[in-house]
Amino acid sequence: QVQLVQSGAEVKKPGASVKLSCKASGYTFTSYYMHWVRQAPGQGLEWMGIINPNGGITNYGQTVQGRVTMTRDTSTSTVYMELSSLRSEDTAVYYCARAYGGYGNPLDYWGQGTLVTVSS
Amino acid sequence: QSALTQPASVSGSPGQSITISCTGTSSDVGGYNYVSWYQQHPGKVPKLMIFEVSNRPSGVPDRFSGSKSGNTASLTISGLQAEDEADYYCSSYRSSNTLVFGGGTKLTVL
Repeated sequence: QVQLVQSGAEVKKPGASVKLSCKASGYTFTSYYMHWVRQAPGQGLEWMGIINPNGGITNYGQTVQGRVTMTRDTSTSTVYMELSSLRSEDTAVYYCARAYGGYGNPLDYWGQGTLVTVSS
Repeated sequence: QSALTQPASVSGSPGQSITISCTGTSSDVGGYNYVSWYQQHPGKVPKLMIFEVSNRPSGVPDRFSGSKSGNTASLTISGLQAEDEADYYCSSYRSSNTLVFGGGTKLTVL
């Protein structure tokens, strides 16, 4: 069965960086794009960006552009999302979610989420 | 990167129908048939309910339906049930290979 398993919760200080992982299983890793979506406490969903595991091409949202880097390791079917220069507003649950073969396709499976807390 | 516009809250009684709107622009909702809807219960992971404006994934009850007119997409839930109480988010492909979400709508079943 399809599974997206994310890394554990993180606590970081302002200005630091965090690197989250999302390990995929149960499907052909390179056939599905992977999105990253975050949700601040009590707030809505915010799209952060997307990576095509087949080639590693990325596209990022404006609010995190310049601070975010998404990468993948096809040998372990894992995608990574690194966010730098953390500030308190980056405190959120971060989700990875897959979408079949295209930028507009729906996010049909989601990881369990990773809570990132940014606090001094 | 402005979000799509959704009402903050809607409510309905069991058995009734409700509709949640999602308004964007010609660069997203109006320009592409890549509108999806997600249901999120408190503390849970979002779940895909509708894709490509009006298609239901396997396992989603046919009480859930979607449509679009111009720059506004809509999610309708008929025969409202208690377990439908949740937050609902629309999303749309936006030009330049990006995705945008709506602000979310809290559905209360009275």
